[in-house]
Amino acid sequence: GAGVSQTPSNKVTEKGKYVELRCDPISGHTALYWYRQSLGQGPEFLIYFQGTGAADDSGLPNDRFFAVRPEGSVSTLKIQRTERGDSAMYLCASSNEAGHNEQFFGPGTRLTVL
Amino acid sequence: GNSVTQMEGPVTLSEEAFLTINCTYTATGYPSLFWYVQYPGEGLQLLLKATKADDKGSNKGFEATYRKETTSFHLEKGSVQVSDSAVYFCALRRGTNAGKSTFGDGTTLTVKP
Repeated sequence: GAGVSQTPSNKVTEKGKYVELRCDPISGHTALYWYRQSLGQGPEFLIYFQGTGAADDSGLPNDRFFAVRPEGSVSTLKIQRTERGDSAMYLCASSNEAGHNEQFFGPGTRLTVL
Repeated sequence: GNSVTQMEGPVTLSEEAFLTINCTYTATGYPSLFWYVQYPGEGLQLLLKATKADDKGSNKGFEATYRKETTSFHLEKGSVQVSDSAVYFCALRRGTNAGKSTFGDGTTLTVKP
């Protein structure tokens, strides 16, 4: 079946602009995760959803970052007033419930803030 | 807090050589441990996992044993192939907050024919 998909694959924006990054999880997966990966580093946790609710948003760096999952499927990561330091690969993953189940990762969205 | 430390790369080996990539962790409780692999141009894929002490995870000839006494989860393969060239990430998930994963910084492996 289809894996996790993310759109767009690349996003270039200017400092101060608003961006939205979309994640389509594997059908039926109840848990969804967002990570950020800077060059040469491992993924860094941002937020995860169990169903429609954010079960843990402790990784969001500040209040410019927000994520939603209104129907328990697709999720959108929203970044306001982007800064150059927000440039990174944003990864989404999903799993069949949280816990120790395997997380399936999408290909990522590369965000570049000029 | 939780952390994962991987041996620094890059690592370059000849085909059929033995591979070890070291990984140590710091965590409270009893985390699950994972190795992920990222092939060029592709997303992260789970390679293997172990959920409790002394468990051995294995897949595609790769192995790693969960060592609680040394807080380690070293990745090994007896004979690498050119197709194993990729970036390898060690990660942990804690039992009490098993949603989030904590990753190491990755080790780039290049295997030459």
